[in-house]
Amino acid sequence: EAQVTQNPRYLITVTGKKLTVTCSQNMNHEYMSWYRQDPGLGLRQIYYSMNVEVTDKGDVPEGYKVSRKEKRNFPLILESPSPNQTSLYFCASSLSPAHGYTFGSGTRLTVV
Amino acid sequence: SQELEQSPQSLIVQEGKNLTINCTSSKTLYGLYWYKQKYGEGLIFLMMLQKGGEEKSHEKITAKLDEKKQQSSLHITASQPSHAGIYLCGADFRAGAQKLVFGQGTRLTINP
Repeated sequence: EAQVTQNPRYLITVTGKKLTVTCSQNMNHEYMSWYRQDPGLGLRQIYYSMNVEVTDKGDVPEGYKVSRKEKRNFPLILESPSPNQTSLYFCASSLSPAHGYTFGSGTRLTVV
Repeated sequence: SQELEQSPQSLIVQEGKNLTINCTSSKTLYGLYWYKQKYGEGLIFLMMLQKGGEEKSHEKITAKLDEKKQQSSLHITASQPSHAGIYLCGADFRAGAQKLVFGQGTRLTINP
């Protein structure tokens, strides 16, 4: 089944403890992206990648890192999480914008 | 200010009734995407519209993009409980754009 898989689905962590949210797609998509969703602010793009080793900042990149060492994986790294990074995170991939974007099921992160 | 405005923010309709959700952009769109989200879950791609005046249908859901490519509507005919959820419009504003800008969403409740 064609899908975008995120792990974990739920995560509670403490301030400052490094964490990684994984994202993997099995559709051979070149384009991948991370979004966060917050009440009243909607979905905002964090980082995106147009292909292997090509990444760029979205609208809210502060406090996050990404890497794209292979086509299928696009992990989101929080080096020193803070409570304002508590959010619902989505990974998305696309063959091209004209083909639409496939979203993962989301990762609900709570930083205490 | 929000680049994409959705209305209404929430909608409660009786099962079997028709309904319309609107998405208005402050500038000309390149592509307009409609997604459905169950609370706290991933986004399900519904339709993408790209041409002025374009209309697409999937089962009982029809989406239209106006000629000026600044407004889209999503119409559900004979609503069912399975239609309940949050409907999001997303847009990119130029060819090759690498992010979607999303509206705030419309929360749809279907009463039996």
